[in-house]
Amino acid sequence: AQTVTQSQPEMSVQEAETVTLSCTYDTSESDYYLFWYKQPPSRQMILVIRQEAYKQQNATENRFSVNFQKAAKSFSLKISDSQLGDAAMYFCAYRRLGGSEKLVFGKGMKLTVNP
Amino acid sequence: SAVISQKPSRDICQRGTSLTIQCQVDSQVTMMFWYRQQPGQSLTLIATANQGSEATYESGFVIDKFPISRPNLTFSTLTVSNMSPEDSSIYLCSVNSGRLRAQYFGPGTRLLVL
Repeated sequence: AQTVTQSQPEMSVQEAETVTLSCTYDTSESDYYLFWYKQPPSRQMILVIRQEAYKQQNATENRFSVNFQKAAKSFSLKISDSQLGDAAMYFCAYRRLGGSEKLVFGKGMKLTVNP
Repeated sequence: SAVISQKPSRDICQRGTSLTIQCQVDSQVTMMFWYRQQPGQSLTLIATANQGSEATYESGFVIDKFPISRPNLTFSTLTVSNMSPEDSSIYLCSVNSGRLRAQYFGPGTRLLVL
């Protein structure tokens, strides 16, 4: 079974600084998707960024980028120029290609942004 | 991306009663997913609902406790039956949408069982 591990339960960053959130996963599949979701206090799950495993190029969405290391099964999220609105729970998630299409989530990490 | 709504947004219920949560999507989708998020925890998949067939339940979740309906390609309901305080959670529905079939979530239903 696939598993997703977020080993840091909490992190903090100063406004305008850069922070990196770590995520590792375990799978025997060769093709899959990886995602980062953000959950602010409103509890809405917001898709931040996604990565296709067959793509070597790291995904980027504005201030958010990933470092995808397929061999190491590592998928970290870098937030540049952190803003107060980035404060939230961040969840890493895995989905295999085809099949049930369900997401497997990590335990999440609470990010605090200090002004 | 798909736009998903859920009703109710929150509710307070007495133990032993049941609550039905509705999920509406603005486009037709094959699969709809129901997740539970217990306080301070991550999301756990309850079941996958396909239109026209029985829902597929994950280990630890049973149809008698969480019956699901999927009458058409844009709508689903999840019922939390015979509730106990341990059922106090946020319940979220989601769908896959878009070219990469990323999963998008509804706003969730916050349930408190007394």
